[in-house]
Amino acid sequence: DSGVTQTPKHLITATGQRVTLRCSPRSGDLSVYWYQQSLDQGLQFLIQYYNGEERAKGNILERFSAQQFPDLHSELNLSSLELGDSALYFCASTRGQGAPLNTEAFFGQGTRLTVV
Amino acid sequence: QKEVEQDPGPLSVPEGAIVSLNCTYSNSAFQYFMWYRQYSRKGPELLMYTYSSGNKEDGRFTAQVDKSSKYISLFIRDSQPSDSATYLCAMSARGNNRLAFGKGNQVVVIP
Repeated sequence: DSGVTQTPKHLITATGQRVTLRCSPRSGDLSVYWYQQSLDQGLQFLIQYYNGEERAKGNILERFSAQQFPDLHSELNLSSLELGDSALYFCASTRGQGAPLNTEAFFGQGTRLTVV
Repeated sequence: QKEVEQDPGPLSVPEGAIVSLNCTYSNSAFQYFMWYRQYSRKGPELLMYTYSSGNKEDGRFTAQVDKSSKYISLFIRDSQPSDSATYLCAMSARGNNRLAFGKGNQVVVIP
C-alpha cells in the first residue's frame, strides 16, 4: 500500500459529461501529481500542485482542471468528455518538489475512466 | 523525437534468465534516472534510482546510466515469475517538478 488513495476506482460515463477524480496524498507529502496512462501514449504528466499551489503543467487539455485543497487532497476535473479521454488516471505524491526531492513518487491505484 | 524513448514491445523470458531493458532520451539536462515497476491493475512503484552516470546494484537488479550516449539500462538477474510486470523508466532534471516517463516494457517471466 503506497499510502495514496484515489477514488473512485472505476468510472463509466457518457461523452459530454463531467467527472471529478479525487486523490488523498501520503501523510506528510505536500506535492501531488496527476498522470494519464493510455496504451498508446504511456504515462503522461498532466499537472502538479505543491502545498495548494499549481507548480507545473504538462499535457493537460483545457477541458481538464485540477486543484489542491488546504487539507492537501486534490481533485482532477474532466469536462466535455470525449471517447479519447478513456484512460487510467493516476495521482502520485512526494514529500518535496523538484528533483531530487521528487524522484520517489508514491502512486495511487488509479481511476479507470471509460467514456462511452 | 520523444523526450524519452522506451520500446514497449513485450518481453517473455524463462525463469532464471537475465532481463535487459533500456531507454534512450534526448534532454541532456536529465540528471536523475529512475526505474518504476508496475504490476497489473496497480500504480507504479519506485524500483531503482540513479543520479548522473554510473551503475547501481540492488540485489538482483542493476541500473546503468550512460549520459554520454543518453542511454539507461535495467538488468534483472535470475528472473522470477514475481518479476512479471511493466517496467517504466523515468527521468528528471535538477529542480524540475515533473518526471518524464518512457512507455514501459511488459515483462513476463515463464516458470
